[in-house]
Amino acid sequence: GAVVSQHPSRVICKSGTSVKIECRSLDFQATTMFWYRQFPKQSLMLMATSNEGSKATYEQGVEKDKFLINHASLTLSTLTVTSAHPEDSSFYICSGTWGRGAQEQFFGPGTRLTVL
Amino acid sequence: AQRVTQPEKLLSVFKGAPVELKCNYSYSGSPELFWYVQYSRQRLQLLLRHISRESIKGFTADLNKGETSFHLKKPFAQEEDSAMYYCALSFFTQGGSEKLVFGKGTKLTVNP
Repeated sequence: GAVVSQHPSRVICKSGTSVKIECRSLDFQATTMFWYRQFPKQSLMLMATSNEGSKATYEQGVEKDKFLINHASLTLSTLTVTSAHPEDSSFYICSGTWGRGAQEQFFGPGTRLTVL
Repeated sequence: AQRVTQPEKLLSVFKGAPVELKCNYSYSGSPELFWYVQYSRQRLQLLLRHISRESIKGFTADLNKGETSFHLKKPFAQEEDSAMYYCALSFFTQGGSEKLVFGKGTKLTVNP
Protein backbone atom coordinates (compact mmCIF):
# COMPACT_ATOMS: atom_id res chain seq x y z
CA GLY A 1 0.00 0.00 0.00
CA ALA A 2 0.88 3.65 -0.21
CA VAL A 3 3.12 5.10 2.49
CA VAL A 4 2.79 8.34 4.39
CA SER A 5 5.56 9.55 6.65
CA GLN A 6 5.56 12.18 9.36
CA HIS A 7 8.42 14.09 10.85
CA PRO A 8 9.23 14.43 13.64
CA SER A 9 7.75 11.41 15.39
CA ARG A 10 7.83 13.24 18.69
CA VAL A 11 8.67 16.77 19.73
CA ILE A 12 8.89 18.59 23.03
CA CYS A 13 8.80 22.35 23.02
CA LYS A 14 8.44 25.26 25.40
CA SER A 15 5.20 27.16 25.76
CA GLY A 16 5.02 30.05 23.32
CA THR A 17 7.18 28.52 20.62
CA SER A 18 6.05 27.26 17.23
CA VAL A 19 6.39 23.72 15.98
CA LYS A 20 6.22 22.45 12.41
CA ILE A 21 5.15 18.91 11.56
CA GLU A 22 5.72 17.50 8.08
CA CYS A 23 3.58 14.95 6.32
CA ARG A 24 4.86 13.32 3.16
CA SER A 25 3.32 10.85 0.76
CA LEU A 26 6.29 8.75 -0.29
CA ASP A 27 5.03 6.78 -3.26
CA PHE A 28 1.88 8.48 -4.43
CA GLN A 29 0.58 11.94 -5.13
CA ALA A 30 -1.84 12.99 -2.45
CA THR A 31 -4.41 15.30 -3.96
CA THR A 32 -5.95 15.69 -0.53
CA MET A 33 -4.31 15.55 2.86
CA PHE A 34 -6.03 15.51 6.20
CA TRP A 35 -4.83 16.46 9.66
CA TYR A 36 -6.26 14.79 12.73
CA ARG A 37 -5.77 15.15 16.43
CA GLN A 38 -6.07 12.22 18.78
CA PHE A 39 -6.37 12.57 22.53
CA PRO A 40 -5.38 9.66 24.76
CA LYS A 41 -7.75 6.72 24.40
CA GLN A 42 -10.03 8.73 22.14
CA SER A 43 -10.90 8.70 18.49
CA LEU A 44 -9.39 10.81 15.74
CA MET A 45 -10.83 14.29 15.37
CA LEU A 46 -10.47 15.90 11.98
CA MET A 47 -8.80 19.29 12.21
CA ALA A 48 -8.56 20.32 8.58
CA THR A 49 -8.56 19.16 5.00
CA SER A 50 -6.09 20.49 2.50
CA ASN A 51 -5.88 20.23 -1.25
CA GLU A 52 -2.63 20.91 -3.04
CA GLY A 53 -2.25 24.53 -3.95
CA SER A 54 -5.32 25.80 -2.14
CA LYS A 55 -6.19 26.95 1.34
CA ALA A 56 -7.05 24.38 3.93
CA THR A 57 -10.61 23.87 5.09
CA TYR A 58 -10.74 23.90 8.87
CA GLU A 59 -13.27 22.15 11.02
CA GLN A 60 -15.47 24.14 13.34
CA GLY A 61 -13.64 25.03 16.51
CA VAL A 62 -10.15 24.70 15.04
CA GLU A 63 -8.26 28.00 15.02
CA LYS A 64 -6.77 28.51 11.59
CA ASP A 65 -4.32 31.12 12.88
CA LYS A 66 -3.03 28.72 15.48
CA PHE A 67 -2.82 25.62 13.32
CA LEU A 68 -1.31 26.73 10.02
CA ILE A 69 -1.56 24.19 7.26
CA ASN A 70 0.33 24.36 4.01
CA HIS A 71 -0.04 21.88 1.17
CA ALA A 72 2.62 23.15 -1.18
CA SER A 73 2.98 20.05 -3.32
CA LEU A 74 1.25 16.78 -4.04
CA THR A 75 3.62 15.00 -1.68
CA LEU A 76 4.04 17.41 1.20
CA SER A 77 1.76 19.05 3.73
CA THR A 78 2.89 20.84 6.88
CA LEU A 79 1.10 21.68 10.09
CA THR A 80 2.56 24.49 12.18
CA VAL A 81 1.33 24.88 15.72
CA THR A 82 1.97 28.53 16.49
CA SER A 83 2.54 29.87 20.00
CA ALA A 84 2.02 26.43 21.43
CA HIS A 85 0.52 25.96 24.86
CA PRO A 86 0.31 22.88 27.09
CA GLU A 87 -3.28 22.26 25.99
CA ASP A 88 -1.97 21.77 22.45
CA SER A 89 -0.11 18.68 23.62
CA SER A 90 -1.55 15.81 21.68
CA PHE A 91 -0.99 13.19 19.00
CA TYR A 92 -1.24 14.68 15.52
CA ILE A 93 -1.87 12.35 12.60
CA CYS A 94 -1.96 13.13 8.91
CA SER A 95 -3.37 11.11 6.05
CA GLY A 96 -3.38 11.38 2.30
CA THR A 97 -5.60 10.22 -0.48
CA TRP A 98 -5.89 10.61 -4.22
CA GLY A 99 -8.90 10.90 -6.44
CA ARG A 100 -12.34 11.62 -5.14
CA GLY A 101 -15.09 9.58 -3.69
CA ALA A 102 -14.68 6.82 -1.10
CA GLN A 103 -10.95 6.55 -1.51
CA GLU A 104 -8.81 4.85 1.09
CA GLN A 105 -6.90 7.25 3.30
CA PHE A 106 -3.30 6.35 4.03
CA PHE A 107 -2.23 7.38 7.47
CA GLY A 108 1.07 8.58 8.80
CA PRO A 109 2.48 7.17 12.03
CA GLY A 110 1.62 10.31 13.98
CA THR A 111 3.59 12.98 15.85
CA ARG A 112 3.51 13.23 19.61
CA LEU A 113 3.67 16.90 20.62
CA THR A 114 4.39 17.81 24.22
CA VAL A 115 4.33 21.47 25.19
CA LEU A 116 5.98 22.26 28.50
CA ALA B 1 -25.47 15.73 10.99
CA GLN B 2 -23.11 12.96 9.98
CA ARG B 3 -22.27 10.68 12.85
CA VAL B 4 -20.76 7.27 13.47
CA THR B 5 -21.55 5.38 16.63
CA GLN B 6 -19.64 2.45 18.00
CA PRO B 7 -21.50 1.52 21.16
CA GLU B 8 -18.83 -0.76 22.63
CA LYS B 9 -15.66 0.79 23.90
CA LEU B 10 -14.22 -2.59 24.85
CA LEU B 11 -14.93 -6.07 23.57
CA SER B 12 -13.30 -9.21 24.86
CA VAL B 13 -13.70 -12.67 23.34
CA PHE B 14 -11.88 -15.97 23.46
CA LYS B 15 -9.86 -17.32 20.59
CA GLY B 16 -12.05 -19.21 18.15
CA ALA B 17 -15.22 -17.44 19.21
CA PRO B 18 -17.25 -15.33 16.80
CA VAL B 19 -16.86 -11.59 17.08
CA GLU B 20 -19.07 -8.71 16.00
CA LEU B 21 -18.10 -5.07 16.34
CA LYS B 22 -21.09 -2.81 16.02
CA CYS B 23 -21.26 0.37 13.99
CA ASN B 24 -24.24 2.59 13.30
CA TYR B 25 -24.20 5.70 11.19
CA SER B 26 -26.28 8.78 10.63
CA TYR B 27 -26.19 10.23 7.12
CA SER B 28 -28.92 11.43 4.81
CA GLY B 29 -27.14 10.57 1.60
CA SER B 30 -25.73 7.34 0.22
CA PRO B 31 -23.03 6.30 2.69
CA GLU B 32 -19.49 5.24 1.96
CA LEU B 33 -18.33 3.24 4.95
CA PHE B 34 -15.00 1.88 6.07
CA TRP B 35 -13.45 -0.10 8.86
CA TYR B 36 -9.96 0.96 9.90
CA VAL B 37 -7.77 -0.97 12.34
CA GLN B 38 -4.90 0.10 14.54
CA TYR B 39 -2.70 -2.64 15.92
CA SER B 40 -0.53 -1.93 18.94
CA ARG B 41 2.20 0.59 18.13
CA GLN B 42 1.22 0.73 14.47
CA ARG B 43 -0.48 3.32 12.34
CA LEU B 44 -4.11 3.28 11.37
CA GLN B 45 -4.77 1.19 8.28
CA LEU B 46 -7.73 0.27 6.17
CA LEU B 47 -9.32 -3.08 6.97
CA LEU B 48 -12.17 -3.03 4.51
CA ARG B 49 -14.66 -0.79 2.74
CA HIS B 50 -18.24 -1.58 1.94
CA ILE B 51 -18.07 -0.80 -1.78
CA SER B 52 -15.53 -3.53 -2.44
CA ARG B 53 -17.53 -6.16 -0.57
CA GLU B 54 -14.37 -8.11 0.16
CA SER B 55 -13.25 -10.16 3.11
CA ILE B 56 -9.98 -9.17 4.71
CA LYS B 57 -8.30 -11.34 7.33
CA GLY B 58 -11.57 -13.21 7.66
CA PHE B 59 -13.55 -10.06 8.49
CA THR B 60 -16.68 -9.05 6.64
CA ALA B 61 -19.05 -6.15 7.01
CA ASP B 62 -22.45 -5.71 5.41
CA LEU B 63 -24.10 -2.38 4.92
CA ASN B 64 -27.68 -2.44 6.18
CA LYS B 65 -29.33 0.77 5.08
CA GLY B 66 -32.58 -0.06 6.87
CA GLU B 67 -30.82 -0.32 10.20
CA THR B 68 -28.12 2.21 9.23
CA SER B 69 -25.53 -0.27 10.37
CA PHE B 70 -22.18 -1.56 9.16
CA HIS B 71 -21.21 -4.16 11.70
CA LEU B 72 -17.87 -5.95 11.42
CA LYS B 73 -17.90 -9.71 11.85
CA LYS B 74 -15.50 -12.60 12.00
CA PRO B 75 -16.61 -16.18 12.65
CA PHE B 76 -13.49 -17.30 14.50
CA ALA B 77 -11.41 -14.68 16.28
CA GLN B 78 -7.64 -15.00 16.47
CA GLU B 79 -5.28 -13.51 19.05
CA GLU B 80 -3.65 -11.38 16.37
CA ASP B 81 -7.01 -9.68 15.79
CA SER B 82 -6.56 -7.83 19.08
CA ALA B 83 -6.51 -4.17 18.10
CA MET B 84 -8.45 -0.93 18.05
CA TYR B 85 -11.15 -0.88 15.38
CA TYR B 86 -12.67 2.30 13.97
CA CYS B 87 -15.74 2.56 11.81
CA ALA B 88 -15.69 5.57 9.49
CA LEU B 89 -18.07 7.38 7.16
CA SER B 90 -16.85 9.22 4.08
CA PHE B 91 -18.88 12.00 2.54
CA PHE B 92 -18.64 15.28 0.68
CA THR B 93 -19.63 18.55 2.26
CA GLN B 94 -21.73 21.16 0.49
CA GLY B 95 -18.51 22.95 -0.28
CA GLY B 96 -17.16 19.91 -2.07
CA SER B 97 -14.62 18.88 0.57
CA GLU B 98 -14.25 15.21 1.34
CA LYS B 99 -14.42 14.23 4.99
CA LEU B 100 -13.99 11.06 6.98
CA VAL B 101 -15.87 10.90 10.25
CA PHE B 102 -14.70 8.28 12.74
CA GLY B 103 -16.52 6.47 15.47
CA LYS B 104 -14.93 6.44 18.91
CA GLY B 105 -13.46 3.02 18.31
CA THR B 106 -13.77 -0.40 19.89
CA LYS B 107 -10.85 -2.10 21.51
CA LEU B 108 -10.99 -5.79 20.74
CA THR B 109 -9.10 -8.22 22.93
CA VAL B 110 -8.92 -11.85 21.90
CA ASN B 111 -7.92 -14.02 24.81
CA PRO B 112 -6.09 -17.34 24.39
